[in-house]
Amino acid sequence: DIQMTQSPSSVSASVGDTVTITCRASQDINIFSNWYQQKPGKAPKLLMYRTSTLQTGVPSRFSGSRSGTDFTLTINRLQPEDFATYYCQQASSFPLTFGGGTKVEIK
Amino acid sequence: EVQLVESGGGLVEPGRSLRLSCTASGFTFGDFAMSWFRQAPGKGLEWIGFIRRELYGGTIEYAASVKGRFTISRDDSKGIAYLQMNSLKTEDTGIYYCGRPMVQGVHEFDPWGQGTLVTVSS
Repeated sequence: DIQMTQSPSSVSASVGDTVTITCRASQDINIFSNWYQQKPGKAPKLLMYRTSTLQTGVPSRFSGSRSGTDFTLTINRLQPEDFATYYCQQASSFPLTFGGGTKVEIK
Repeated sequence: EVQLVESGGGLVEPGRSLRLSCTASGFTFGDFAMSWFRQAPGKGLEWIGFIRRELYGGTIEYAASVKGRFTISRDDSKGIAYLQMNSLKTEDTGIYYCGRPMVQGVHEFDPWGQGTLVTVSS
């Protein structure tokens, strides 16, 4: 199984800050990494797919990148509505697996 | 509007069974695979299983944690995917979500349903 190791598990930040979240895949998954945002009591929402393609309606302050098996989600100019938990997911092979999540909290 | 609605959750004793439904609307259900996920209280997301379109044989993939106990099926005429859960354990407690691949043939999921809570407890 492909493991997705996500870090940090939590981060405290202020409105306007830049936040970076990383997932490391345990083996090559090509570009097949997705990112989801989940707010308390709500279902996850797809933010970005195939490393760096923004889902329709997602603000451009979100961006994604890849370096080998390391995948990064960057949130620029953090907004109040961005405080949530973020999960990476590998879409390369079954079983599909998620990172452990990163909670972005208000400092 | 593309929408998924889960139902069938509730409180069940360990060892018993429960069947969840995921009712789809706003798209041609038979054109898409479907997947199930869950989230234990205060924990992260876990993929449970995936059922392909009938065009591809309706074959199914399962996570090791549920294989042999859970069964996924689909009724394209009704637009419903099912998750039959047998021999339930306390660790199966959580919110269960269904999700649709964004487009055919991919494993990125949007939309998701709102989830249904399953509590396994005596």
